[in-house]
Amino acid sequence: AQSVTQPDIHITVSEGASLELRCNYSYGATPYLFWYVQSPGQGLQLLLKYFSGDTLVQGIKGFEAEFKRSQSSFNLRKPSVHWSDAAEYFCAVDPSSSASKIIFGSGTRLSIRP
Amino acid sequence: KAGVTQTPRYLIKTRGQQVTLSCSPISGHRSVSWYQQTPGQGLQFLFEYFSETQRNKGNFPGRFSGRQFSNSRSEMNVSTLELGDSALYLCASSLAPGLADQETQYFGPGTRLLVL
Repeated sequence: AQSVTQPDIHITVSEGASLELRCNYSYGATPYLFWYVQSPGQGLQLLLKYFSGDTLVQGIKGFEAEFKRSQSSFNLRKPSVHWSDAAEYFCAVDPSSSASKIIFGSGTRLSIRP
Repeated sequence: KAGVTQTPRYLIKTRGQQVTLSCSPISGHRSVSWYQQTPGQGLQFLFEYFSETQRNKGNFPGRFSGRQFSNSRSEMNVSTLELGDSALYLCASSLAPGLADQETQYFGPGTRLLVL
């Protein structure tokens, strides 16, 4: 079955430190891939997306993600986190190229240590 | 350009009642999808509408239904509410099905439903 795995439920990093959030998907072909961020009590904001082409994707707020086909991974990175980055991050996959059935990972909650 | 709007933002209902939630997509977007978010099940797809027609439906009981109007605004209805229906209901809009970039979904702030 198609699935998205975010192995880290909760991560704490110090402000100014680098960040990497892991995401693995299970699907035969290369799906469309997304990262969303959700602040408490808010909806989801799209950080970045990958459809094809260059495997390193730049997003908003200084985030980037790298698609690695051999590892079925789409990890999110940021070189230096800010306190405002504290939120829940969701990796998502559109396996059927029909965005209406996006499959979301379970999310990674990011806390920032002052 | 205004984002996706959802009304109401918060609702409290009792078991057995029904509820209607509303979603107005981004101007020019014609596809609307609904998701349920709970701590236990995470984000789950409910259904998608395009041009007033339901295109896809997730694995939810028939108590969950929706519709889309000619102006692309969408409503979802839950009848005979159960305690387990307490959740954040998110609406997302996209331009249209088809090309990848047109299908990118933009989410509203959600409606938080509490069933007592």
